[in-house]
Amino acid sequence: GEDVEQSLFLSVREGDSSVINCTYTDSSSTYLYWYKQEPGAGLQLLTYIFSNMDMKQDQRLTVLLNKKDKHLSLRIADTQTGDSAIYFCAENEGNTGFQKLVFGTGTRLLVSP
Amino acid sequence: EPEVTQTPSHQVTQMGQEVILRCVPISNHLYFYWYRQILGQKVEFLVSFYNNEISEKSEIFDDQFSVERPDGSNFTLKIRSTKLEDSAMYFCASIGALVNEQFFGPGTRLTVL
Repeated sequence: GEDVEQSLFLSVREGDSSVINCTYTDSSSTYLYWYKQEPGAGLQLLTYIFSNMDMKQDQRLTVLLNKKDKHLSLRIADTQTGDSAIYFCAENEGNTGFQKLVFGTGTRLLVSP
Repeated sequence: EPEVTQTPSHQVTQMGQEVILRCVPISNHLYFYWYRQILGQKVEFLVSFYNNEISEKSEIFDDQFSVERPDGSNFTLKIRSTKLEDSAMYFCASIGALVNEQFFGPGTRLTVL
């Protein structure tokens, strides 16, 4: 079945850039997502990219998609301590937008002052 | 800004008891989902619901689980006879007209003793 993999942990200093990586297996996914989960909170939709794009920028966030290698990354510029959270990569299964999401394990980002 | 809400935030129950987890999706959304996250594991899809019926369910969603939209606003997940392994965070999500944006609630932490 579909699988999404992420590294478990990333530690950066405040002001540096963070790059969180993700690989997925379902080549038919229409959209790929990044969600953020702060301690005790739900899943906040950060950004998403349509599968026929290779890059999307949204303020401090840059999403890169390499469809050939099935690799997705999230770059956070000028990382702040408030960015400390778990970041989940997810793909939607299938070729329409309303199908279920398949999540990665989540990457815990720790930003130190 | 509209958001998905869930109650209760934490539910403790004895093994074998029935629980009902409640969700209020974003008004005018049409597709509804339940996911769960066992501590330290991935967020897993349980079930999707559209037009008053289940559109897809996972292997986890066995006969002990059921979903209902009893009125125009609530979306519930019932577990008939809870097991220890049902202990998890349960997330409700919904999608509206923009089918590529799935919004999640804050979750209900279910603890089965």
